[in-house]
Amino acid sequence: DTAVSQTPKYLVTQMGNDKSIKCEQNLGHDTMYWYKQDSKKFLKIMFSYNNKELIINETVPNRFSPKSPDKAHLNLHINSLELGDSAVYFCASSQDLLGRNYEQYFGPGTRLTVT
Amino acid sequence: DAKTTQPNSMESNEEEPVHLPCNHSTISGTDYIHWYRQLPSQGPEYVIHGLTSNVNNRMASLAIAEDRKSSTLILHRATLRDAAVYYCILPNAGGTSYGKLTFGQGTILTVHP
Repeated sequence: DTAVSQTPKYLVTQMGNDKSIKCEQNLGHDTMYWYKQDSKKFLKIMFSYNNKELIINETVPNRFSPKSPDKAHLNLHINSLELGDSAVYFCASSQDLLGRNYEQYFGPGTRLTVT
Repeated sequence: DAKTTQPNSMESNEEEPVHLPCNHSTISGTDYIHWYRQLPSQGPEYVIHGLTSNVNNRMASLAIAEDRKSSTLILHRATLRDAAVYYCILPNAGGTSYGKLTFGQGTILTVHP
C-alpha cells in the first residue's frame, strides 16, 4: 500500500489553464503539506494543513489554493497557470502538527510543465 | 530558523561506511535533528532523527555531538542505492511554522561500485 499518493504523476498544460493535483495519505496522519521543487532542485514548503485547517501559507500566490475535504486528502488547485509554475510538487504528511518529533512522509511527486 | 551547514558533495565506495557531517551551531535546546534523503526522481525520504542521544535504525545511525552543535549521519555499508542528496534539517519548533521543513542544498552522495 502506498502511504502518500499523488495524481497525476505528470501534468503538461498551457499557460492560463486551471489544474488540480490530488494527494491522499492512508497513514491516519493529522497534518499534510505541499512542497515545491524548482528546476534548481530547491525544495520549499508551500502549505500545511492540520485537521483540515490551514496552518502554514508561505507567501504563495493566491492562484494556488489548497483544499482539504478530509484529513486524508489535501488537493492543490492552481488557477491561471504561468511558466514559472513549472516544477515538481510534493505532498507530505506527518503524525503531529509540531512535526519536530515525527517524520514526514512524502509522495512521489507531480511534475508540472507549463508551456 | 535554526540553520544547518553541510558539504556540497561526498564520495564513497560500495560496502564502505559513510559519515555525512552537519553543523547546526545555532540549534536550540528543543530542536530535533532530522535527516532526509532524496533519491533521483523520487520524493524525499525520512532517514532518522534525534534530540540528544545517538540513534540507530535499520537505515542509518545518527551521532549527535555532546554540545549538539553538530551531528553525523552514518551509513554503515553504502550501497549503490544510497546514492542520493542527503538533507540535515531542524524542523521549525514554533510560531506559525509548525513542522516546517526547510531544505538546504544538502550533500550529494556518490557511491562508486
